[in-house]
Amino acid sequence: AQSVTQPDIHITVSEGASLELRCNYSYGATPYLFWYVQSPGQGLQLLLKYFSGDTLVQGIKGFEAEFKRSQSSFNLRKPSVHWSDAAEYFCAVGTTSGTYKYIFGTGTRLKVLA
Amino acid sequence: DAGVTQSPTHLIKTRGQHVTLRCSPISGHKSVSWYQQVLGQGPQFIFQYYEKEERGRGNFPDRFSARQFPNYSSELNVNALLLGDSALYLCASSIGTGGEKLFFGSGTQLSVL
Repeated sequence: AQSVTQPDIHITVSEGASLELRCNYSYGATPYLFWYVQSPGQGLQLLLKYFSGDTLVQGIKGFEAEFKRSQSSFNLRKPSVHWSDAAEYFCAVGTTSGTYKYIFGTGTRLKVLA
Repeated sequence: DAGVTQSPTHLIKTRGQHVTLRCSPISGHKSVSWYQQVLGQGPQFIFQYYEKEERGRGNFPDRFSARQFPNYSSELNVNALLLGDSALYLCASSIGTGGEKLFFGSGTQLSVL
């Protein structure tokens, strides 16, 4: 079955600390991979995407993610978190056959301590 | 350029009523998808439309329907509303139907009382 797992429902970090949000997926082939961020009551903003090629991808706002095929993972990282990064983060798989759709994880809510 | 626009932003309905949500894609985008996001969950795929034809449907009951117009805008209709239909409904547009970024609107928050 196709699925995306974000094991951490909530994460709290101090401002300036490093961040890693975990994402594991189950899919029959190498999917398209995305990270989105959502502020309360808002839509989804794309942080970064992986389609192919270099497994370390850079995104907006200083975020990066690494695709590890052997671990079926696509973890999101940021070396130094800012208070404005507090939001909910969603990992998503874009299907590569049949109807093109995103399969989202349940999200990780990030809280940043001043 | 305008992004994906959705209307209304908020809506309150009672059980059994019908609702229509609207979406205008980014100019030049021919595909529109609809997602339902229940509080505390990730968005769930409802429909994809491309060139006015349904290209895919998620695991939702027949009470949910949609259509796409010649200008590529789209409507999502939900009949016989249930309390469980309360959610943020997100519309996303893309240029085509595969392997591309989806651009999301800010959503319509539907509350069913």
